[in-house]
Amino acid sequence: GENVEQHPSTLSVQEGDSAVIKCTYSDSASNYFPWYKQELGKRPQLIIDIRSNVGEKKDQRIAVTLNKTAKHFSLHITETQPEDSAVYFCAASKGAAGNKLTFGGGTRVLVKP
Amino acid sequence: DGGITQSPKYLFRKEGQNVTLSCEQNLNHDAMYWYRQDPGQGLRLIYYSQIVNDFQKGDIAEGYSVSREKKESFPLTVTSAQKNPTAFYLCASSIAGTGGGEQFFGPGTRLTVL
Repeated sequence: GENVEQHPSTLSVQEGDSAVIKCTYSDSASNYFPWYKQELGKRPQLIIDIRSNVGEKKDQRIAVTLNKTAKHFSLHITETQPEDSAVYFCAASKGAAGNKLTFGGGTRVLVKP
Repeated sequence: DGGITQSPKYLFRKEGQNVTLSCEQNLNHDAMYWYRQDPGQGLRLIYYSQIVNDFQKGDIAEGYSVSREKKESFPLTVTSAQKNPTAFYLCASSIAGTGGGEQFFGPGTRLTVL
């Protein structure tokens, strides 16, 4: 089955700096890659997603890039703010299996003011 | 926040007891999912259902059971066969179909075995 690896497990950045989280996946048939943000004690919420027919997608301060050949995708957060502090999860899905998601292990991001 | 709810928020179980976690959604979603989250770890899929009266095992189904008798409801039973059930349980729903799509999560149930 699909395996998703996520790095780093923790990331500390100074407010205003950029943060980058990287994920690799094993199944070349995966075609949907969402990123979720989970604040302490709360539910995960989708922040951005990308499909395999697109190489990059941007939404204000966050962007995701996808390299299908290398089977990896990354989340980029620019101009980080204290409210960006949370745990971020990447995931991968194959269309043939409906919406079944395989999640990475998560990255705890701490933005220091 | 609304749309998908879970109850109870906290649940305590004695060893050897079965417990049932509730998940209800009013988003008219066909697909529903149960995940387990352990401290410092990602979400692992327990069971999922693409349509009423049908469900499939996820990656860690042993010791759990589900039912899907109504579109709105997808209860999860943690049985005594689950050896380490203490965890945070998250329910999610999405539109069905291929190609992937956003999953909406409930607020979670924290289960503790005493």
